[in-house]
Amino acid sequence: SQTIHQWPATLVQPVGSPLSLECTVEGTSNPNLYWYRQAAGRGLQLLFYSVGIGQISSEVPQNLSASRPQDRQFILSSKKLLLSDSGFYLCAWRPGTKNIQYFGAGTRLSVL
Amino acid sequence: AQSVTQPDIHITVSEGASLELRCNYSYGATPYLFWYVQSPGQGLQLLLKYFSGDTLVQGIKGFEAEFKRSQSSFNLRKPSVHWSDAAEYFCAVGGVMEYGNKLVFGAGTILRVKS
Repeated sequence: SQTIHQWPATLVQPVGSPLSLECTVEGTSNPNLYWYRQAAGRGLQLLFYSVGIGQISSEVPQNLSASRPQDRQFILSSKKLLLSDSGFYLCAWRPGTKNIQYFGAGTRLSVL
Repeated sequence: AQSVTQPDIHITVSEGASLELRCNYSYGATPYLFWYVQSPGQGLQLLLKYFSGDTLVQGIKGFEAEFKRSQSSFNLRKPSVHWSDAAEYFCAVGGVMEYGNKLVFGAGTILRVKS
């Protein structure tokens, strides 16, 4: 069966430090992959999505970037974190045969 | 542009009472519609989905939703709420031909269950 892993679960970082959040999917091939950020009372905001290796689409201009170095790996990065980058980050995947997104457990990022 | 409105930020119901969470969407083409549930600090779990066919769809945990095209609505219902249903609920819309199969989410409704 397919599973999605996100790590770390919780992260506290100082302002100006770099960021790397990782998401991997097991048990499938060529999934669509997504990064969302969730702020309280504001639902989910799509940040990036990828339909294949090296193919990244950005939804919102910001301090973050994404990469997909392997078929089932999706990485969210920043060179210098801002206070406003704090939030709950969710990775999701969609199988090629179904229009359903499945979510990871999320990463709580606090930038201090 | 696609959008989803969940008019109720918070809803409180008594355990055993019925529940209806509202969702209205705006989408220019044939929509896919979803309801997800999120417990605090967790990811989102799919409750149910509508792609086509019967407009009343059944999901997990005793939930159902009805697609009403004329009202652009996809309301979630449950006949009898359990305390474990307390969570945040998100409605989402996607497109049949949308590149990347992106979803647009509503802001969510927080459900509180009182005993």
